[in-house]
Parts: sequence; C-alpha cells; structure tokens
Amino acid sequence: ETGVTQTPRHLVMGMTNKKSLKCEQHLGHNAMYWYKQSAKKPLELMFVYNFKEQTENNSVPSRFSPECPNSSHLFLHLHTLQPEDSALYLCASSQERGFSGANVLTFGAGSRLTVL
Amino acid sequence: SQQGEEDPQALSIQEGENATMNCSYKTSINNLQWYRQNSGRGLVHLILIRSNEREKHSGRLRVTLDTSKKSSSLLITASRAADTASYFCATDNGGNKLVFGAGTILRVKS
Repeated sequence: ETGVTQTPRHLVMGMTNKKSLKCEQHLGHNAMYWYKQSAKKPLELMFVYNFKEQTENNSVPSRFSPECPNSSHLFLHLHTLQPEDSALYLCASSQERGFSGANVLTFGAGSRLTVL
Repeated sequence: SQQGEEDPQALSIQEGENATMNCSYKTSINNLQWYRQNSGRGLVHLILIRSNEREKHSGRLRVTLDTSKKSSSLLITASRAADTASYFCATDNGGNKLVFGAGTILRVKS
C-alpha cells in the first residue's frame, strides 16, 4: 500500500448509471489529483485540488464531477458516461512544494472503469 | 499538451542486461521525474533530477539530464525480471501539475 487508497478497484457501469470513485490518502498531503490513463496514451490530468480547493480543471466533460470534502478525501462522480470513458482512473496526492521545491506524486492503485 | 515523450515505446531485453530509456520534453523545467508502473497498478516514484543537475544515481538506476537538448535518460543496470513494467518520465515546470509521457514498456526475460 502506498498510503493512497482507491475504491472500487473495478467498476462496470452502463451509460445511464451514476457511480462514484473514491480516493483517500493517509499521508497528510494537501494536494490531490485525478488522472485518466487510457491504453497507449499519456496520462491525462483531470483535476487538481489544493487544500480542498479546485485549482485545475483540464477541460474535463461535465459528466465527470469531482468533490473534495477535505484534504484527505477525493471523489469522482460519474454520470451518463460514454464507452470511450473506459480507462484506469488514478488518484494521486502530494505535499506542498516547501523547501525542496519539488512536487512528487504518490499514486493509488487505480480504479479500472468499463462503460458498456 | 504532452510534455514528455519516451523512447522507445517498448523494449525487450534479457535478464542481466542494461536497459536505457529516453525522454524528450519541450519547455523549461524545474525538475524531471521518473515513475514506474506495474501492470494495472498505480505509478511509483523512482527518482527526481533537478534542472541544475546532470546525473543522479539510486541503486541500479542512473538518470541523466541534458537541459540544452531537453532530454533525459533512465538507465537500469543488471536488469531483473522484476523490473518488467512501464516507465514514465514526468516534467515539473514549477506549476500546479506534472505532465507525463506515454511511457516505455520494458520486458525483462529470464
């Protein structure tokens, strides 16, 4: 375990369903991220939260709705998805840059989403 | 826009051989990082090299950075079957996010 836990690990849903992905970090980090990983494509950054405030929305369709109630929890609410949204969704967290000046990410194991 | 691009896309070697992966990027960076991903799992941070550094070592890993060519390389020496994974470079320009490349798939045959 890396300290970042994602649930569920696997999710199959129809295009009309509503589901949520959950991410929890136990590292005391203040930033959390959602990335999408599709086959043979670079990781796509979706959302960034710093101290539970959204600081980045990378032109993500509104059918993906993030929620960050506190610095330790991050959700991705899914509704009316398309088959092309099938992918591995990765959550990550990081500490603020501070003296080191570096932004190093700790990832969860991912949630494998299949949209039928 | 994609910042890091790894080369080659896939690499297959025998156990004990060295593996070299390259990364090119487009804009100035604060640091460059390498991550590893085992099949279907999350990424794990391996090593970070700052823009004012040229080479860095960690165990069997050696990373070089050439900011004039905007490129980096990751060398894994004396590879093992357990090194089989995908390897990604990620660039940090000091902003809010890391930008990852598409990765190099490494297969080490025993």
